[in-house]
Amino acid sequence: GESVGLHLPTLSVQEGDNSIINCAYSNSASDYFIWYKQESGKGPQFIIDIRSNMDKRQGQRVTVLLNKTVKHLSLQIAATQPGDSAVYFCAEMDPGTYKYIFGTGTRLKVLA
Amino acid sequence: GAVVSQHPSRVICKSGTSVKIECRSLDFQATTMFWYRQFPKQSLMLMATSNEGSKATYEQGVEKDKFLINHASLTLSTLTVTSAHPEDSSFYICSAREGGPTEAFFGQGTRLTVV
Repeated sequence: GESVGLHLPTLSVQEGDNSIINCAYSNSASDYFIWYKQESGKGPQFIIDIRSNMDKRQGQRVTVLLNKTVKHLSLQIAATQPGDSAVYFCAEMDPGTYKYIFGTGTRLKVLA
Repeated sequence: GAVVSQHPSRVICKSGTSVKIECRSLDFQATTMFWYRQFPKQSLMLMATSNEGSKATYEQGVEKDKFLINHASLTLSTLTVTSAHPEDSSFYICSAREGGPTEAFFGQGTRLTVV
């Protein structure tokens, strides 16, 4: 559901290392998930999506893993770069209304 | 990816006035558009969902008479904040989707400051 009044957790990663950002979703019936990247003062940017008939999907330097058993989603970023610094949100699509439900977000800080 | 343009990116208005924010899908037809509000260091809160040609569906707690949404065409939706007050100051973001269960693309956001 929506998060109100919560502070964003922060993940600090050394440049060049891999990053793993985790997300727990709420509805076991959700069948479509998206990861977004949001830079300061901008709108979210689509990164990668995955449907529930898959448990892994790869993009360019990014991999999304889906564990339906525990309702968990993760985003892996390979060889993290300074430009990856941003807030990352996972979103699940409500299968009934097709609305997107956003997670609380994680701030990724890339250390030089 | 598809492009969604939101305008203006920043607006300052006086208390009691109304402000209109536009959201355009530039290279696809958006059957559904969403409007979100985001407070600093928080996630996106869905305000309403609009489908082209029909009335918007508002989330619980969102005043439909205060936040007027119009989705008159497949490429344009507008959000009008009426009689704005300082507590309406926030970052408003739209997103657009072409069909059913597919990815939605976001506009750049509008920073509204009511003084």
